Amino acid sequence: AQKITQTQPGMFVQEKEAVTLDCTYDTSDPSYGLFWYKQPSSGEMIFLIYQGSYDQQNATEGRYSLNFQKARKSANLVISASQLGDSAMYFCAIAMYSGGGADGLTFGKGTHLIIQP
Amino acid sequence: DAMVIQNPRYQVTQFGKPVTLSCSQTLNHNVMYWYQQKSSQAPKLLFHYYDKDFNNEADTPDNFQSRRPNTSFCFLDIRSPGLGDAAMYLCATSREKGAGDSNQPQHFGDGTRLSIL
Repeated sequence: AQKITQTQPGMFVQEKEAVTLDCTYDTSDPSYGLFWYKQPSSGEMIFLIYQGSYDQQNATEGRYSLNFQKARKSANLVISASQLGDSAMYFCAIAMYSGGGADGLTFGKGTHLIIQP
Repeated sequence: DAMVIQNPRYQVTQFGKPVTLSCSQTLNHNVMYWYQQKSSQAPKLLFHYYDKDFNNEADTPDNFQSRRPNTSFCFLDIRSPGLGDAAMYLCATSREKGAGDSNQPQHFGDGTRLSIL
C-alpha cells in the first residue's frame, strides 16, 4: 500500500520568505501522481499543484513549485514570497494509476503553516 | 462558481439517528469520492463511484453507505451515527480514473461538518 509522510507538523515563516514543505512517499508502483492541497480553517480543500511520476520537469504553478526527486521519493512543495493568506494546513497526497486507474487519494498528516507579518 | 456543492455545510444529528449528506457536481465528472476527515487528521477515503460502479474501501465501516442516482449527485448515508463519526465529510470528483491521463486533480467541495449529539 502507498504511504505519504509529512514530517513537519507545524511551521512558522516570516512574510515574504520562501518556504519548503516536506513530503516523502512510499510506493512500489511505477505510475502515480503526487498532489498538494491547501486547507484553510474554513475547511475546503484547494488544489495547488500536481506532479506525475513520469514527468521529466518539476511542476510549477505561479508561486508554487514542486521539487520532485524521484530516486529519493520526495515531492517537496516550495512557496515563494509567502503571504499572510498562505496560512493554512497543507496536505501532500498520492494517487496510484496502476491497475486501471486511481482509487482516490492517500493523504499525509499535513503541515500547519503560519505566516507571520 | 462552485463546481462541487455539498449540503448542508453543517449538520447536527442525534446518536443513532440516520443522516444523509449530499454532494452535487456541475463538472460532469465520472468519478465521485467521499472522504472522512476527523479533527486534526488527514482525509481518509471511504468509497468512490466510477460512473455507477461502487468501490468501497476495505476498512470503511458497514454503517456508511453511498448512493449515486445519476452523474451529478452522490449521497453519503450513515445508518446509525456514533460519537466517533463526528467529522468533516468531503466530497470530491475527478474526470476519469488516472490511467493514461494522470494530470487531473480531484475537485473538492467545501465539506459538511457533522456533529453528533
